Amino acid sequence: EIVLTQSPGTLSLSPGERATLSCRASQEVARSYFAWYQLKPGQAPRLLIYSASSRATGIPDRFSGSGSGTDFTLTISRLEPEDFAVYYCHQYGNSLPITFGQGTRVEIK
Amino acid sequence: EVQLVESGGDLVQPGGSLRLSCAASGFTFSDYWMHWVRQVPEKGLVWVSRINDGGSDTFYADSVKGRFTISRDDAKNTLYLEMNSLRVEDTAVYYCARENWQVWDWGQGTLVTVSS
Repeated sequence: EIVLTQSPGTLSLSPGERATLSCRASQEVARSYFAWYQLKPGQAPRLLIYSASSRATGIPDRFSGSGSGTDFTLTISRLEPEDFAVYYCHQYGNSLPITFGQGTRVEIK
Repeated sequence: EVQLVESGGDLVQPGGSLRLSCAASGFTFSDYWMHWVRQVPEKGLVWVSRINDGGSDTFYADSVKGRFTISRDDAKNTLYLEMNSLRVEDTAVYYCARENWQVWDWGQGTLVTVSS
């Protein structure tokens, strides 16, 4: 099983600041099958980034993804009020089970 | 527009059974692999099961293997999750998702509560 470890667990920042979220995999993950999601209470997961660095439809360009192999990063360049939420990384390649990270909460400082 | 609408969530006692449904529209349902993923309240996302197009291959997380069964009815454009021997730790919001190459589309989820 590929374990995804996200850090930090909680990020306390102010609107306008830059957020850098990390996801480390226990084994190499194909970039094509790595994604980032945003979760808010009562809402479906919102796909932000797929294939490690491609923004999903309608996602603002303040969200960007990078990385390869075992280390991936989600960057939010300037936090907007609506960006305070929980973020999950996700790998869904040929290695089962499909796994998610444990989440990083971005909260208002 | 792709739409996935889950239903069937309910309050059930430990040891009980439940069947979740996911009605799909806006795409050719039979062409896609489908998944169930759950989110435990205040916790993270956990993948539960996957079924291929055609329904010949199914895979499960170890935590539900032998208790849950994923299936699909392509004529009805519907995905199912049959859940038996339910445990308190199965309490979660259950989402169905379509795997469209590198992009997953998600439903709004249905809440399953297992409690006496």
